[in-house]
Amino acid sequence: QKEVEQDPGPLSVPEGAIVSLNCTYSNSAFQYFMWYRQYSRKGPELLMYTYSSGNKEDGRFTAQVDKSSKYISLFIRDSQPSDSATYLCASLSGSARQLTFGSGTQLTVLP
Amino acid sequence: GAVVSQHPSRVICKSGTSVKIECRSLDFQATTMFWYRQFPKQSLMLMATSNEGSKATYEQGVEKDKFLINHASLTLSTLTVTSAHPEDSSFYICSARPDRNEQFFGPGTRLTVL
Repeated sequence: QKEVEQDPGPLSVPEGAIVSLNCTYSNSAFQYFMWYRQYSRKGPELLMYTYSSGNKEDGRFTAQVDKSSKYISLFIRDSQPSDSATYLCASLSGSARQLTFGSGTQLTVLP
Repeated sequence: GAVVSQHPSRVICKSGTSVKIECRSLDFQATTMFWYRQFPKQSLMLMATSNEGSKATYEQGVEKDKFLINHASLTLSTLTVTSAHPEDSSFYICSARPDRNEQFFGPGTRLTVL
């Protein structure tokens, strides 16, 4: 079992839809949670960074962490075609030096 | 802030040659830098972790004599693919971590070995 599981998709939604991207993790030591967006042939771009449980909002993006169920979510409101990319969740424990990535979800927002 | 650059962005070389890829943190000092490899439609595969001034730590299955990593300063790490072969063709991405837990990635280098 991978430490971070992510549905690879692909996921297609119409423009304006609310997108929900999810990951589960198994390592109870994970404390830091990140979402990266990766466009084709580009490096990942850090979108959201959260510590422990709770919500964090940044514009159209909301990251949610539920440590009791080991569930990580990213919500995108009013999705745009420019949001079409692969989204990677990642986790880190306090003592670890390396991120543990999910496999990525490929999202397409159709105009 | 937190910009990481990579150079070159794309390189095509002949089999048997060596290729050097540079990774720079432009506006912060990175005590730790990471090198990843990514195949099409796959997630990132960590190759090695490098700390400034010390030897890199390689992941299992990564040949340290083939993928030479030098982290000479707090803003520069280099990856040299020695005696490259077509199977080394891939997308190589570096990342850098300031003295906190966020990690920032470079734009990647596409290596094609003919």
